[in-house]
Amino acid sequence: QSALTQPASVSGSPGQSITISCTGTSSDVGDYNYVSWYQQHPGKAPKLMIYDVSNRPSGVSNRFSGSKSGNTASLTISGLQAEDEADYFCSSYTGSSTLVVFGGGTKLTVL
Amino acid sequence: QITLKESGPTLVKPTQTLTLTCTFSGFSLSTSGVGVGWIRQPPGKALEWLALIYWNDDKRYSPSLKSRLTITKDTSKNQVVLTMTNMDPVDTATYYCAHRLRRLFDYWGQGTLVTVSS
Repeated sequence: QSALTQPASVSGSPGQSITISCTGTSSDVGDYNYVSWYQQHPGKAPKLMIYDVSNRPSGVSNRFSGSKSGNTASLTISGLQAEDEADYFCSSYTGSSTLVVFGGGTKLTVL
Repeated sequence: QITLKESGPTLVKPTQTLTLTCTFSGFSLSTSGVGVGWIRQPPGKALEWLALIYWNDDKRYSPSLKSRLTITKDTSKNQVVLTMTNMDPVDTATYYCAHRLRRLFDYWGQGTLVTVSS
């Protein structure tokens, strides 16, 4: 069982918006603004999409946005495109000896 | 441009020791604040953080695997090595190394699939 809980799958049509949730605890997501989101296409390396809850690295489309409320972080993708179809997973710093926890991953299907 | 690449055996037998090497470029592991970590992902399952080494040789391990892991660095060769003892079929996974800065894994290697089987 993953430390952070994500839905196994979400789907949306091109042009629509979707949101992926990532639920942790008061010891990780709820206590630190160090939540990151990664995109992973099959057989490829994870790509950082969002860091520190809501910041986008240079080169990442502004269609990707992040937020947090309490122990739950969220990734929103607006204007869905076919190339957005991938696995997405979240991560949080914990401040404990575990240091880093990950979500189980969410498969995004663009219909 | 930061790049990382994992290398090592693709198949190990149960009870053997796994040695993986992460060779990187585009940064120095002697730069303050920089680290390199290892993360694994069993087929169809979630990611799991394993170990992390910082520029100052500070080392951190997943509590659940600490007794089996050793992480070292060779700054002159731009390499980080992870060893995991007493391998078991449940350790079958894709193993990734990643660059760490400011509590974030921002660049990852493509990963290497390690299968544990007799």
